[in-house]
Amino acid sequence: EDKVVQSPLSLVVHEGDTVTLNCSYEVTNFRSLLWYKQEKKAPTFLFMLTSSGIEKKSGRLSSILDKKELSSILNITATQTGDSAIYLCAVTFQGAQKLVFGQGTRLTINP
Amino acid sequence: SQTIHQWPATLVQPVGSPLSLECTVEGTSNPNLYWYRQAAGRGLQLLFYSVGIGQISSEVPQNLSASRPQDRQFILSSKKLLLSDSGFYLCAWGPSNQPQHFGDGTRLSIL
Repeated sequence: EDKVVQSPLSLVVHEGDTVTLNCSYEVTNFRSLLWYKQEKKAPTFLFMLTSSGIEKKSGRLSSILDKKELSSILNITATQTGDSAIYLCAVTFQGAQKLVFGQGTRLTINP
Repeated sequence: SQTIHQWPATLVQPVGSPLSLECTVEGTSNPNLYWYRQAAGRGLQLLFYSVGIGQISSEVPQNLSASRPQDRQFILSSKKLLLSDSGFYLCAWGPSNQPQHFGDGTRLSIL
């Protein structure tokens, strides 16, 4: 059975801290790994990582895919209260039009 | 640009009543369409996806069904709701092998 596991499930830090969120997967026919941020309603897309693009960066956020370890991390530096959200990791498959999501990490940034 | 609309935003229904949630996409043709359910503070569970009109794939056995009567319309239905159907329902669209984009969701409470 395809599985995506995120850790920690919940994290509380102070504004300005750096955080690292983890995502590991056990799937057949892996194609790509995606990160989303969900505040109140719709998840919004952050990054997509594939064999040809294993590292992405946007401002204070960056992500790396480790295909050997079947995992990915999402780093957020100099956190702000606006970074508080649920961060979701998902995996796509070769030849299939679906995503499998992890449980999400609820990140809370205290001022 | 593409937009996705989902309604209603909130719904309270009694056990045993029927359900119909609608999702429409604008600005694209022949999108892949998806229905997800999210339990409180958890990841997304894929319920159904569709790669074309009348083509529905079901990911989990359940009390719900989906239909795609038009290219950019995706409907989630039930004949008789159960308490366990409560949750946050998200519709998404996406080109093949590209990130999915989500609607704002419907929060469904069953009494």
